[in-house]
Amino acid sequence: DAKTTQPTSMDCAEGRAANLPCNHSTISGNEYVYWYRQIHSQGPQYIIHGLKNNETNEMASLIITEDRKSSTLILPHATLRDTAVYYCIVRVDAGGTSYGKLTFGQGTILTVHP
Amino acid sequence: DAGVIQSPRHEVTEMGQEVTLRCKPISGHNSLFWYRQTMMRGLELLIYFNNNVPIDDSGMPEDRFSAKMPNASFSTLKIQPSEPRDSAVYFCASSNRGLSSEQYFGPGTRLTVT
Repeated sequence: DAKTTQPTSMDCAEGRAANLPCNHSTISGNEYVYWYRQIHSQGPQYIIHGLKNNETNEMASLIITEDRKSSTLILPHATLRDTAVYYCIVRVDAGGTSYGKLTFGQGTILTVHP
Repeated sequence: DAGVIQSPRHEVTEMGQEVTLRCKPISGHNSLFWYRQTMMRGLELLIYFNNNVPIDDSGMPEDRFSAKMPNASFSTLKIQPSEPRDSAVYFCASSNRGLSSEQYFGPGTRLTVT
């Protein structure tokens, strides 16, 4: 699986959009970009994933550049409860015939402050 | 619906003792994963089951660790004998490969070996 690079930490004001970047310059054509987060003392939580098109769900939006070498997770209106470690992961989609292992890096510590 | 259930939530044991961690995946999910999280090594995949069969156990640290999945609704991770360096939070996750590939994590078991 391709390696990802994320900033170690970021701050965001409550109510503002949080934009979390991720670089994955060695991503392969069959690798998806996944985002998970881990709130303190809880298990990781799936947020969103995409291949090349931008994706949106009730939690966040995922913007993937045209060359797929980087992406941005957007939390449109961050709340204090969004304070967590955010992991960007690239993997082969296990929904097909391939087994895509989730390899967690160090992630980005997002702190949302009042 | 109940999420992934893990027990116990906390376990404190002495070095040399046997430890058994338990997991009940989400009903209908056919893939199960055991992870370990430490400050030093982050979140690591230990073993992965699909349809109750171990597919990838390359992350199991050594022979002291063993995992079983006797049926679709139950899995165990056993450490025998336990050592202080096994102290970590152990997470179980499940997914349904047929419909989606996101993994749903349990709350974890915090293991302390003294």
